[in-house]
Amino acid sequence: DTAVSQTPKYLVTQMGNDKSIKCEQNLGHDTMYWYKQDSKKFLKIMFSYNNKELIINETVPNRFSPKSPDKAHLNLHINSLELGDSAVYFCASSRLAGQETQYFGPGTRLLVL
Amino acid sequence: DAKTTQPTSMDCAEGRAANLPCNHSTISGNEYVYWYRQIHSQGPQYIIHGLKNNETNEMASLIITEDRKSSTLILPHATLRDTAVYYCIARRGGNNNDMRFGAGTRLTVKP
Repeated sequence: DTAVSQTPKYLVTQMGNDKSIKCEQNLGHDTMYWYKQDSKKFLKIMFSYNNKELIINETVPNRFSPKSPDKAHLNLHINSLELGDSAVYFCASSRLAGQETQYFGPGTRLLVL
Repeated sequence: DAKTTQPTSMDCAEGRAANLPCNHSTISGNEYVYWYRQIHSQGPQYIIHGLKNNETNEMASLIITEDRKSSTLILPHATLRDTAVYYCIARRGGNNNDMRFGAGTRLTVKP
């Protein structure tokens, strides 16, 4: 069984569109994250949620809005997509916040045309 | 979190030990050293972590110097499937639980 899953795996869309990426974890973890990996392969955290509450929000445009309907899901909604949003987005989870190992999903490859 | 420095790339012969160094000279007492790897196009995978004692698990060993300013990840018998980018991260606890990934070391295991 996949521990952290993301859908879709690939997403190709036009500039200006709104899209969502879904993430689910079946590990019973309390904390979930979104990371962005750009074309230079640098992996940077975007958001962190602990028990459905936002605890980390890095400097991310407010076009990006995470939504956590329950602690097993953390979806990422992106409004008015721009060319620079093209990247691979990884979801991760950990048992607790703090010194805990994070488990990553397979990634969603977003291409904005 | 302390900055870490790793070589850009390394090669290793299949079946030999791969020793990946990491410098974290500004690490503070409450920061752990974590190692993750990213195999091409996949999500990062946890390998091992430690505070000051050496650690070993089924994947690797982590050797941390006594002054904690550097560490070495050891893959005892590297296989072709260990070809990946390896990230060394110095990370503190607390709710501000972000992990700062650097550029990592691209390890290529050659037959």
